[in-house]
Amino acid sequence: SQTIHQWPATLVQPVGSPLSLECTVEGTSNPNLYWYRQAAGRGLQLLFYSVGIGQISSEVPQNLSASRPQDRQFILSSKKLLLSDSGFYLCAWSVGLAGYPEQFFGPGTRLTVL
Amino acid sequence: AQSVTQLGSHVSVSEGALVLLRCNYSSSVPPYLFWYVQYPNQGLQLLLKYTSAATLVKGINGFEAEFKKSETSFHLTKPSAHMSDAAEYFCAVSDGGGGSYIPTFGRGTSLIVHP
Repeated sequence: SQTIHQWPATLVQPVGSPLSLECTVEGTSNPNLYWYRQAAGRGLQLLFYSVGIGQISSEVPQNLSASRPQDRQFILSSKKLLLSDSGFYLCAWSVGLAGYPEQFFGPGTRLTVL
Repeated sequence: AQSVTQLGSHVSVSEGALVLLRCNYSSSVPPYLFWYVQYPNQGLQLLLKYTSAATLVKGINGFEAEFKKSETSFHLTKPSAHMSDAAEYFCAVSDGGGGSYIPTFGRGTSLIVHP
């Protein structure tokens, strides 16, 4: 069966510090991968998605970036965090084929920027 | 283009009462529709999905949803609420357009269950 991992589970970082969040998927090949952010009391905001190694699409211009160095690894990064980057970050995957649009989510990372 | 509207950011019910969470969508093609549940500090979990088969879809934990094309709705129901149903619920639509089939999510409805 497929599983998705995210780490760390929680993170407290000062403003201006770098960020690296990692997501890995097991039990599937060539998945579509996604990064979402949930701010307090708000819905899901799609940040990035990837349909293959090295292929990244950005949905929202910001100081965050994403990379996909391996088929089942997705990394969210920042060089300098802002207060507004605080939130709950979710990684998700879906089957990379037509007709299978449902997404499967990881447990999330709670990021607090102070 | 696709969009989702969830009516009511909060819904409050008594334990044992009917749960009804509303979702209306727009899509230029026959859609895929989903309901997800999110418990505090956890990721989203798929409750059920509609993929153009039966219009009444049964999911986990006793939930079901009915696809009504004429009303462009996909409301989520459960006959009898349980305290453990208290969570955030998200409706999502995907029109299958484009290679990534990225769904559009509603803003979510928080279900509060009173004893």
